[in-house]
Amino acid sequence: DAKTTQPTSMDCAEGRAANLPCNHSTISGNEYVYWYRQIHSQGPQYIIHGLKNNETNEMASLIITEDRKSSTLILPHATLRDTAVYYCIVNGAGNNRKLIWGLGTSLAVNP
Amino acid sequence: SAVISQKPSRDICQRGTSLTIQCQVDSQVTMMFWYRQQPGQSLTLIATANQGSEATYESGFVIDKFPISRPNLTFSTLTVSNMSPEDSSIYLCSVVLAGGYEQFFGPGTRLTVL
Repeated sequence: DAKTTQPTSMDCAEGRAANLPCNHSTISGNEYVYWYRQIHSQGPQYIIHGLKNNETNEMASLIITEDRKSSTLILPHATLRDTAVYYCIVNGAGNNRKLIWGLGTSLAVNP
Repeated sequence: SAVISQKPSRDICQRGTSLTIQCQVDSQVTMMFWYRQQPGQSLTLIATANQGSEATYESGFVIDKFPISRPNLTFSTLTVSNMSPEDSSIYLCSVVLAGGYEQFFGPGTRLTVL
């Protein structure tokens, strides 16, 4: 599975959009990009995933570049409850659902 | 989605003892995983729990230390054997639903070994 690179930490003002980048330059054609987050002392929570098209759900939007070498997770109106560690993971589309977790980005949403 | 419970939620154990952690899911799932998260670290996959057969372990993890059972499609256990302080971690189970891509995680078991 391809590796990902994320900034260690980011800050965002409450009510503003939080844009979290991820580089995955070695991603292969059948690998999806997944985003999870982990709020302190809780199990990780799935946010969104995509292959090559941009995706949006009730939690966030995922923008994937045309060459698929990077992506951005967008939280359109960040709240204090969005303070968490955000993980970008790439994973194949086969039966193997193993996820290899990096260190993620620690997002602090400030009042 | 899936609702996952883990027991116990936390425990403090003595060196040399063993602890069995239970993971219960409210629906039948295709895949179940066990992870470890050491203090201040990211998640590390321990093994894939296979229903009715031996678990598939990742590099660095062995069955004698982390025996896993999965007797049916909704339940699994992870035992941490002969514990040492280095085993102090949060242990998490996760599942993938049939036809799904995302993993759903349990709340975790916080283990402290003295």
